[in-house]
Amino acid sequence: KQEVTQIPAALSVPEGENLVLNCSFTDSAIYNLQWFRQDPGKGLTSLLLIQSSQREQTSGRLNASLDKSSGRSTLYIAASQPGDSATYLCAVLRDSNYQLIWGAGTKLIIKP
Amino acid sequence: NAGVTQTPKFRVLKTGQSMTLLCAQDMNHEYMYWYRQDPGMGLRLIHYSVGEGTTAKGEVPDGYNVSRLKKQNFLLGLESAAPSQTSVYFCASSRTLTNTGELFFGEGSRLTVL
Repeated sequence: KQEVTQIPAALSVPEGENLVLNCSFTDSAIYNLQWFRQDPGKGLTSLLLIQSSQREQTSGRLNASLDKSSGRSTLYIAASQPGDSATYLCAVLRDSNYQLIWGAGTKLIIKP
Repeated sequence: NAGVTQTPKFRVLKTGQSMTLLCAQDMNHEYMYWYRQDPGMGLRLIHYSVGEGTTAKGEVPDGYNVSRLKKQNFLLGLESAAPSQTSVYFCASSRTLTNTGELFFGEGSRLTVL
């Protein structure tokens, strides 16, 4: 059974710091891995998608990596800003039934 | 450009009452999904649809029913609400099953069952 874990559950850092969010999964048979952002009272927005054959993806100040063999992904946020405060979720798409399995998220607070 | 719209946004029910959540998308997407989100847990798939007139069970389907009579609408029903169904419900849609980079979410419907 695929399980996705995100540690820590919450993180508070001063503005300007670079930070890393972690995601681990138990079954390497994935089609892709995706990072989402969720703002309070809002839906989820896709940030980065990494196909199973890829190692990383970048978008602006965000960089996501994928190591299938170890079952890990990281989301790197450079030069954090208060506007980055949100909950970040990772999800893996199982290649057996194409269903997304989600982590519980990391709540990030960037202090001005 | 509305995207995915969920109604209602908030609802309080008493145990045993019934209700329907409506999800509408204007992107002509084939695939639609209903998830629930509970504190400390990842989103869990309730039911999904791969096209008009089709529905399928997800990870936690018990106590819920769905219908997709029109391509743009996906309804989630609770026939006899239970306190365990207190949650935030999210609808999502996508053009394909595997291109989850094009997965669009509604803003959620917060349901409380007393």
